[in-house]
Amino acid sequence: LAKTTQPISMDSYEGQEVNITCSHNNIATNDYITWYQQFPSQGPRFIIQGYKTKVTNEVASLFIPADRKSSTLSLPRVSLSDTAVYYCLVGDLSPVSSGSARQLTFGSGTQLTVLP
Amino acid sequence: GAVVSQHPSRVICKSGTSVKIECRSLDFQATTMFWYRQFPKQSLMLMATSNEGSKATYEQGVEKDKFLINHASLTLSTLTVTSAHPEDSSFYICSAMGQTNYGYTFGSGTRLTVV
Repeated sequence: LAKTTQPISMDSYEGQEVNITCSHNNIATNDYITWYQQFPSQGPRFIIQGYKTKVTNEVASLFIPADRKSSTLSLPRVSLSDTAVYYCLVGDLSPVSSGSARQLTFGSGTQLTVLP
Repeated sequence: GAVVSQHPSRVICKSGTSVKIECRSLDFQATTMFWYRQFPKQSLMLMATSNEGSKATYEQGVEKDKFLINHASLTLSTLTVTSAHPEDSSFYICSAMGQTNYGYTFGSGTRLTVV
């Protein structure tokens, strides 16, 4: 499983764009990059997933350079409610030959604090 | 979208008793479910992988006789913390992956407090 490195914490102000970068130097060919958001005492919530280039959905964008050794989660115009821990996960999400799923390993995550 | 229901959300039990936590996939079948434990201010740590119809696979350092996992159907996995001690107090989270999608869905977590 590819190891990921993220900043431990980041601060931002309401209305700003926040970019959180994750390093995954030993990403494998079949690995996807997935970002989750976790609020205190809640389970992680899926934000966005990508394999290469750029992916955008209604809440975020994910930028992945050609070498795929890093990725950047971009949150446009953050609000106080975006204060949470953000996890970058890298792994092969396709089922194993037996039909079972592969495990996900969480890194330390990034505590994003949005200030008024 | 895929929904995973985890119950209870919060439980307090006495030392020496057992507690069962349920994880259900509501709108999809989950061949595999994962159980995580999270201590305050820390990341999620994988405890075990639960495969429907077979024995769970435990991560190194996790006592299989203490944390009993049963995955009897494609929509339900249970984690039983046996003979609980205060050091078992933690936030337990399950996740599941459907058979047709490539995303993992997490339950809302269970806050276990052993007194």
